[in-house]
Amino acid sequence: GAVVSQHPSWVICKSGTSVKIECRSLDFQATTMFWYRQFPKQSLMLMATSNEGSKATYEQGVEKDKFLINHASLTLSTLTVTSAHPEDSSFYICSALRPDSRGYTFGSGTRLTVV
Amino acid sequence: AQSVTQLGSHVSVSEGALVLLRCNYSSSVPPYLFWYVQYPNQGLQLLLKYTTGATLVKGINGFEAEFKKSETSFHLTKPSAHMSDAAEYFCAVTPGGATNKLIFGTGTLLAVQP
Repeated sequence: GAVVSQHPSWVICKSGTSVKIECRSLDFQATTMFWYRQFPKQSLMLMATSNEGSKATYEQGVEKDKFLINHASLTLSTLTVTSAHPEDSSFYICSALRPDSRGYTFGSGTRLTVV
Repeated sequence: AQSVTQLGSHVSVSEGALVLLRCNYSSSVPPYLFWYVQYPNQGLQLLLKYTTGATLVKGINGFEAEFKKSETSFHLTKPSAHMSDAAEYFCAVTPGGATNKLIFGTGTLLAVQP
């Protein structure tokens, strides 16, 4: 139980285009999801907290207009990287807060390469 | 501010040797503490967590960690390393309870030599 599916697992896009990454909780409802970014050989940096039915809370320094987060249902949050640039290339990971304070479940990550 | 420090970005041990990965935290409120493992190009898998109660926590794959409040530490250990333990390990803290965001340490890459 408590599975989070993240798609796509990898994507290559051209500079200037937008890319959408999906994060789904398959067997539980997640009112809160988190989006992280991980640079090579570095730790996970929290980008934003996604709450179902409300606006995401972004961490300091994260451009909300560039990284659009939508959490329209209790099982789906999406991260859209708009007008992607090569410096946006990274590994993006989502996690979902399980109900009843049972902890966090992570997606398998998305490797984004902008060329 | 809350933070997590992992001493040693790279640790190398021989197969069968003791594994010790260090984690110290800073939190103004009682923390929840976690250890996660990450294999290349994958998400994170929970090894173990401390919330309240017993300070020695046992996790999966033979790992355990001990919460020491006086030392603000939560070091991860395993008595005997296996080749399959080679991975990146992250210590994380949620200050003040389970519904807060996770703050990660910088990670420790564990190499296991045959």
